[in-house]
Amino acid sequence: DTAVSQTPKYLVTQMGNDKSIKCEQNLGHDTMYWYKQDSKKFLKIMFSYNNKELIINETVPNRFSPKSPDKAHLNLHINSLELGDSAVYFCASSPWDGLLAKNIQYFGAGTRLSVL
Amino acid sequence: KQEVTQIPAALSVPEGENLVLNCSFTDSAIYNLQWFRQDPGKGLTSLLLIQSSQREQTSGRLNASLDKSSGRSTLYIAASQPGDSATYLCAAHNNAGNMLTFGGGTRLMVKP
Repeated sequence: DTAVSQTPKYLVTQMGNDKSIKCEQNLGHDTMYWYKQDSKKFLKIMFSYNNKELIINETVPNRFSPKSPDKAHLNLHINSLELGDSAVYFCASSPWDGLLAKNIQYFGAGTRLSVL
Repeated sequence: KQEVTQIPAALSVPEGENLVLNCSFTDSAIYNLQWFRQDPGKGLTSLLLIQSSQREQTSGRLNASLDKSSGRSTLYIAASQPGDSATYLCAAHNNAGNMLTFGGGTRLMVKP
């Protein structure tokens, strides 16, 4: 069973469209993340949620809106897609010990988004 | 703001060689440092995690060291194998414990 699963794996769409990427974890973790890996392979955090509450928002355009219906899910919705949004988006999760997101983050396989 | 740098960006070695991957970070106030492996088209797999109070961690042929005062970590791979070919990423976990800052990675190729 996949611990952190993302759908879809590949997403090809036109500029201006709105799209969503879904993420689910079955590890019982409280904290989930979205990262963006650009064409130069730099991985940067976008958002972090703890128990459905936003705790990190790293200067991401407001066209990106994360939504956490419950602590096992963190979806990413992107409005008015732009060419520069093309990247691989990774979801991750980790335990939370009350003060800190604890130790190892577990990553999904990524969603490769191509905006044409 | 934390910045993490990895050198070299790419490395090609013959099978059987021992090798060292380097990672440096600008802010020594870290909670831990993690090394990950990324295979092409795949997600990240955590290899080793070193807490800020530790100096090194070992797992099989992998040994990671941490020197917080100098802002450096190294990943040592012994007796490299073609299956070790992948991109290796280091990431510093900030003291608030909820944010990983990644380096740009080292792309390793081990030739048979």
